[in-house]
Amino acid sequence: GAGVSQSPSNKVTEKGKDVELRCDPISGHTALYWYRQRLGQGLEFLIYFQGNSAPDKSGLPSDRFSAERTGESVSTLTIQRTQQEDSAVYLCTRDTEAFFGQGTRLTVV
Amino acid sequence: ELKVEQNPLFLSMQEGKNYTIYCNYSTTSDRLYWYRQDPGKSLESLFVLLSNGAVKQEGRLMASLDTKARLSTLHITAAVHDLSATSVCAVDTQGGSEKLVFGKGTKLTVNP
Repeated sequence: GAGVSQSPSNKVTEKGKDVELRCDPISGHTALYWYRQRLGQGLEFLIYFQGNSAPDKSGLPSDRFSAERTGESVSTLTIQRTQQEDSAVYLCTRDTEAFFGQGTRLTVV
Repeated sequence: ELKVEQNPLFLSMQEGKNYTIYCNYSTTSDRLYWYRQDPGKSLESLFVLLSNGAVKQEGRLMASLDTKARLSTLHITAAVHDLSATSVCAVDTQGGSEKLVFGKGTKLTVNP
């Protein structure tokens, strides 16, 4: 999608392992958002970055989830001690018009 | 807290016929998005509606926004097979992070 690159596209991990998901808005945008979509559900907001600060992290489901961002560039979402309920597609977008990346499909086995 | 509801959640359409799906939301916003989502894929932007009374059309699809009723409609004219997908609406919370709150989507299936 429109100038947002995510990696990996697919990730299978064992329960209890840590994973890192990456979002690159490519052309650089001040705002960056992470969402997730569990199977059969609508998208849920996780965290919002304005530059490299995160003024709204209200959607992070637990303290196992964290994210950081370098300036107006790449963001990394880290999930520690993954659980099966973390299985979902994780999507990021840039700016408020919400052009979505292709997502990372995370499967915890 | 903003809530977004779409209905119907499933719509089986016949080719050539017209249909309407709905997105309503619970608190004030004047920015609403419609997306298409194919199975296993990300979201593809269809329409961005930025004010009361906004109407946008692309091909067989037309979307409108009534911010007073907190309602958006997506009209489908003469359904064709390639419209089979999930239509998702999202509402901008405005203020603060301007994050989006999503509906669960309407799964569209077009039958011959």
